[in-house]
Amino acid sequence: DGGITQSPKYLFRKEGQNVTLSCEQNLNHDAMYWYRQDPGQGLRLIYYSQIVNDFQKGDIAEGYSVSREKKESFPLTVTSAQKNPTAFYLCASSRGTALQAFFGQGTRLTVV
Amino acid sequence: DQQVKQNSPSLSVQEGRISILNCDYTNSMFDYFLWYKKYPAEGPTFLISISSIKDKNEDGRFTVFLNKSAKHLSLHIVPSQPGDSAVYFCAANMYSGGGADGLTFGKGTHLIIQP
Repeated sequence: DGGITQSPKYLFRKEGQNVTLSCEQNLNHDAMYWYRQDPGQGLRLIYYSQIVNDFQKGDIAEGYSVSREKKESFPLTVTSAQKNPTAFYLCASSRGTALQAFFGQGTRLTVV
Repeated sequence: DQQVKQNSPSLSVQEGRISILNCDYTNSMFDYFLWYKKYPAEGPTFLISISSIKDKNEDGRFTVFLNKSAKHLSLHIVPSQPGDSAVYFCAANMYSGGGADGLTFGKGTHLIIQP
């Protein structure tokens, strides 16, 4: 079954630590995205990648980093520079343009 | 500055009636619009979309209407069912821009279907 997989589902991090969220897709999609959702907020774009070895900052990229070494994978690192990292993180992919982007199940990150 | 606005945080509708969810946008460059449905602790799932060359798109119980001059779109669900209870996000993109630079989302409307 084709799909997009995020892991882990829940993640706890101590303040000052970096943490990496995994996102893998087997849909053969070129484009991948990371969004963040906070209570009462829409989804805000963190980073996106249109092709392998290329990625662009979204609206709220500060404190985050990504890599796109493989078409299937787009990991997101939440660094200690991110002031409010506790949130629900969603990864998505789409064929070319962001039409009918498919989302993973999300990772809830909590800083303790 | 919010480019996609869903001004109703929540909406309560009786089962069997019509649910109408509204969305406004400010960026005239947007030319493709989507609705996503989201259950708690899950990723959004695509529901229906509409291109700016159309004013209506239908898929089963779901119809999206687009009024370009008013920069307004709406999602109609008829008849509403208990499983429709979820948060609905309106999203927009500049398809003709060619780049996969992500969708711009509204804040969502929590639809509650009452028995």
